[in-house]
Amino acid sequence: DIVMTQSPLSLPVTLGQPASISCRSSQSLVHSDGNTYLNWLQQRPGQSPRRLIYKVSNRDSGVPDRFSGSGSGTDFTLKISRVEAEDVGVYYCMQGTHSQGTFGQGTKVEIK
Amino acid sequence: EVQLVESGGGLVQPGGSLRLSCAASGFTFSTYWMHWVRQTPGKGLVWVSRINSDESRTSYADSVKGRFTISRDNAKNTLYLQMNSLRAEDTAVYYCVRGLDPDYWGQGTLVTVSS
Repeated sequence: DIVMTQSPLSLPVTLGQPASISCRSSQSLVHSDGNTYLNWLQQRPGQSPRRLIYKVSNRDSGVPDRFSGSGSGTDFTLKISRVEAEDVGVYYCMQGTHSQGTFGQGTKVEIK
Repeated sequence: EVQLVESGGGLVQPGGSLRLSCAASGFTFSTYWMHWVRQTPGKGLVWVSRINSDESRTSYADSVKGRFTISRDNAKNTLYLQMNSLRAEDTAVYYCVRGLDPDYWGQGTLVTVSS
């Protein structure tokens, strides 16, 4: 099984300040087709998850440009350039490269 | 508008069976991979299973392999999850999710396994 390890698991942030979440996989996420199926999801309290970023760095339609994804191979990062109140929630990385999908444990973002 | 509506959840005794359904609309269902993902209340997301567009490829988490079966009916735009030999640890909200890069998620259906 591919293990996805996120850090930190809890992230208190001041409004307007940046935030960064790391996600590391136990094996490379580069697929045989050349793509890297690493996604970032946001789950606000009481809601279904919502995808923010796909294939490492592609932002979904409607996602604010303060969200960005980067990385390669086994190390990936989600950055929020300036945290807003609506960003509170849990963020998950998820790999779809390997036949068994895997999620990270989740990082809870809260406002200080 | 893409919609995924899960149904079939409920209370079932340990060892029992349940079949979840996911009605898809607003997109060409027959061309997409689909997943089932679950979440125990207050906990993280756990991937359960996925199926490709023509049902030729399926995969399962080790925790459900041999007990759960994913399938689809492209004529009815519906995804299924047959769950047998249910255990207390299968209690969760089950989400239907679209795409190899999961983009759209349903609202989920709650499965409770308890005597």
